[in-house]
Amino acid sequence: KQEVTQIPAALSVPEGENLVLNCSFTDSAIYNLQWFRQDPGKGLTSLLLIQSSQREQTSGRLNASLDKSSGRSTLYIAASQPGDSATYLCAVGYTNAGKSTFGDGTTLTVKP
Amino acid sequence: GAVVSQHPSWVICKSGTSVKIECRSLDFQATTMFWYRQFPKQSLMLMATSNEGSKATYEQGVEKDKFLINHASLTLSTLTVTSAHPEDSSFYICSATRLQGPTDTQYFGPGTRLTVL
Repeated sequence: KQEVTQIPAALSVPEGENLVLNCSFTDSAIYNLQWFRQDPGKGLTSLLLIQSSQREQTSGRLNASLDKSSGRSTLYIAASQPGDSATYLCAVGYTNAGKSTFGDGTTLTVKP
Repeated sequence: GAVVSQHPSWVICKSGTSVKIECRSLDFQATTMFWYRQFPKQSLMLMATSNEGSKATYEQGVEKDKFLINHASLTLSTLTVTSAHPEDSSFYICSATRLQGPTDTQYFGPGTRLTVL
């Protein structure tokens, strides 16, 4: 059974810092990996999707990498802003039908 | 981009009543949809896989008689929480897979917050 772990569970940084969120998974036979953002009481916003054949994806200040062999993915956020404060979830897709296992998330607070 | 909607976005009901939540893929057809549940301060847990034209597949520990799933068309899946109790209060999120060959993408709905009094 696929297990997904996110470290740290919570992170607080001053505005402007670059930061890295980590996601690890136990079964390297994945189909894709997706990073989401969730604001309190809200639904999911998809940030980046990495297919199993890819090593990284970039969108604006966000960069996600994938290393299947080591079972790890990182989400890099450059020049953090208070508006980046949210919970970040990674989801590992382990079939081509879209079934995913989610990590518990990292709650990020960016202080002005 | 592809959009998945859910209705209602929130619902409050009395204990013992049944609540139906709809999940629609607005601009694509989805033969498979998924239902997830998220308790406060926890992550999303897959409840069941909704298959168009056939019975849903439930994850271990999820009561199929309590959480009725119907995938009536290629764009609509419904989750009915029967005889809801306060412990069923949760955030329910659906997702639908847009089949695009090697780049299948899972799109998530905005979620439905259920509060059972």
